[in-house]
Amino acid sequence: TQLLEQSPQFLSIQEGENLTVYCNSSSVFSSLQWYRQEPGEGPVLLVTVVTGGEVKKLKRLTFQFGDARKDSSLHITAAQPGDTGLYLCAALSLTQGGSEKLVFGKGTKLTVNP
Amino acid sequence: EAGVVQSPRYKIIEKKQPVAFWCNPISGHNTLYWYLQNLGQGPELLIRYENEEAVDDSQLPKDRFSAERLKGVDSTLKIQPAELGDSAVYLCASSPKDRGLLEQFFGPGTRLTVL
Repeated sequence: TQLLEQSPQFLSIQEGENLTVYCNSSSVFSSLQWYRQEPGEGPVLLVTVVTGGEVKKLKRLTFQFGDARKDSSLHITAAQPGDTGLYLCAALSLTQGGSEKLVFGKGTKLTVNP
Repeated sequence: EAGVVQSPRYKIIEKKQPVAFWCNPISGHNTLYWYLQNLGQGPELLIRYENEEAVDDSQLPKDRFSAERLKGVDSTLKIQPAELGDSAVYLCASSPKDRGLLEQFFGPGTRLTVL
């Protein structure tokens, strides 16, 4: 069972459209992160949200952390081709050895067509 | 500031052959991570180093995978022998001291294809 469920798995839209992608879990997290990964590159951190109900904005991107700190959403306004990429959410989880590690969802692959 | 450097960027080998990946973290970052990313999946942690000490290697398949960070700077991840299922992208990341796991900077990865 995936700790973090992301939806949709794939999304293809036209330039100028708005979209929302989701990251859900049955677990409560102290914080949650969103990354964007472009083809042939590593993930790049976009934002970290730490407070239930928190909303953060990064230009045309709006991130929200659920009140119960179990879920998060990423909304993009007026999408551009440069927004194309794999959007990953991540959160801290305990390993079998008792230490913490960052666990990722499977991601949403976004394609913005010109 | 230079980012995390990985080499090679691509590697194609036949099954049962050995392979090694190299990572140079951002200068001054004492924590180094190796991740495995399968197609259509998010990265999964293999091993985490604090300086030269492997503080979390519970996810590393030790029968065929090994890693080292002898001087606490650059690191090598090795697979011997490689299997078809090892085809994936191997990502290295680093983070600064005392900034925890939430500030990781990733390299571009090495894409391994095992034939």
